[in-house]
Amino acid sequence: NAGVTQTPKFQVLKTGQSMTLQCAQDMNHNSMYWYRQDPGMGLRLIYYSASEGTTDKGEVPNGYNVSRLNKREFSLRLESAAPSQTSVYFCASSEISDPEAFFGQGTRLTVV
Amino acid sequence: AQKITQTQPGMFVQEKEAVTLDCTYDTSDQSYGLFWYKQPSSGEMIFLIYQGSYDEQNATEGRYSLNFQKARKSANLVISASQLGDSAMYFCAIYSSGGGADGLTFGKGTHLIIQP
Repeated sequence: NAGVTQTPKFQVLKTGQSMTLQCAQDMNHNSMYWYRQDPGMGLRLIYYSASEGTTDKGEVPNGYNVSRLNKREFSLRLESAAPSQTSVYFCASSEISDPEAFFGQGTRLTVV
Repeated sequence: AQKITQTQPGMFVQEKEAVTLDCTYDTSDQSYGLFWYKQPSSGEMIFLIYQGSYDEQNATEGRYSLNFQKARKSANLVISASQLGDSAMYFCAIYSSGGGADGLTFGKGTHLIIQP
């Protein structure tokens, strides 16, 4: 039972570089989410996807793009990384019929 | 928009004592869900307990219970007989898909430290 799998677990980028964070879930959930967590803050929603083929902005979408590749996979892309995007990123999935959101292990991203 | 307020940045509690972590929420939706998550130092998010807005009884899961007072818009987490392994960050969150973005809105968390 893998649940929600995120890759990579750690990443260091230089300012201006691009990268994609990968997320896959094996629970057949329709909804998937990307959050970021900064020190002293709770998690904040970046983007979400209510179903395959749809994506919507959350609270802090600037500087990010997402792709819902299929029902299992939801990727987050930083086109031109900035130090302000240094954070821990969490992917999550859920189903309307079950209120619990399942989280990945997180990706610790540092932009220097 | 939804909002969660956790007013206790940090708490120190003696082992075996009961702990209450405060959470107040704000939402204009009639249907919503309240969650508590635990985040140990290893960083993963662990689901603890859920309360639906229409649930009349307070939710319980083992040593965890949710003290839901709808009129006061509070959803406090109670941990009975605390253990050293309960030391972690605790986040209260609200889910509501009406009138805005899907997904959970989190509070800033409470750092709980259990002392022997």
